[in-house]
Amino acid sequence: QKEVEQNSGPLSVPEGAIASLNCTYSDRGSQSFFWYRQYSGKSPELIMSIYSNGDKEDGRFTAQLNKASQYVSLLIRDSQPSDSATYLCAVNNAGNMLTFGGGTRLMVKP
Amino acid sequence: DAGITQSPRHKVTETGTPVTLRCHQTENHRYMYWYRQDPGHGLRLIHYSYGVKDTDKGEVSDGYSVSRSKTEDFLLTLESATSSQTSVYFCAISESRGGRRSYTFGSGTRLTVV
Repeated sequence: QKEVEQNSGPLSVPEGAIASLNCTYSDRGSQSFFWYRQYSGKSPELIMSIYSNGDKEDGRFTAQLNKASQYVSLLIRDSQPSDSATYLCAVNNAGNMLTFGGGTRLMVKP
Repeated sequence: DAGITQSPRHKVTETGTPVTLRCHQTENHRYMYWYRQDPGHGLRLIHYSYGVKDTDKGEVSDGYSVSRSKTEDFLLTLESATSSQTSVYFCAISESRGGRRSYTFGSGTRLTVV
């Protein structure tokens, strides 16, 4: 059973809109949560990490964590075509290991 | 930049041959990881290391072995490659800053088994 779930998409949004990406996880003991962006043919690149309940903002990106609901999300404001990529949700469980969701493909249309 | 180098970047090999992928890091990180990425599966952990000669299995370790004889190098070996091992392989390191752990990935190795 997969421990981290994401909708595979594609999620299509117009340029300038807000893109909302969602992720659920099964391990209640998870402590750290990460969002990676991956362009086609490239390696994952960390864009946000979040460790406690609530919102964390960094520029156009906001990560939201709700541990009671085992839910983490990423909002991208003023979406740009350059944001088109696959977004990977990852959860840090015991043993300093990351478990990934399958990724959501985001397409931002000009 | 965590100074991670993977080699080779691309490799085509025949079924049944042994293959070794190398991950080299320059910053003395203790933890190193090998993941594979396949369409629809995200990244899945193969093996990881928490120090020289200290390794353990991940989610999809069957058919793979690893070695870490030096801090800077983490080798992944496919003893007898199969077509199901055609994938993109990523090495990663983790580091702790201020009590928080972060993870950085290498550029990947695209392996094709024919």
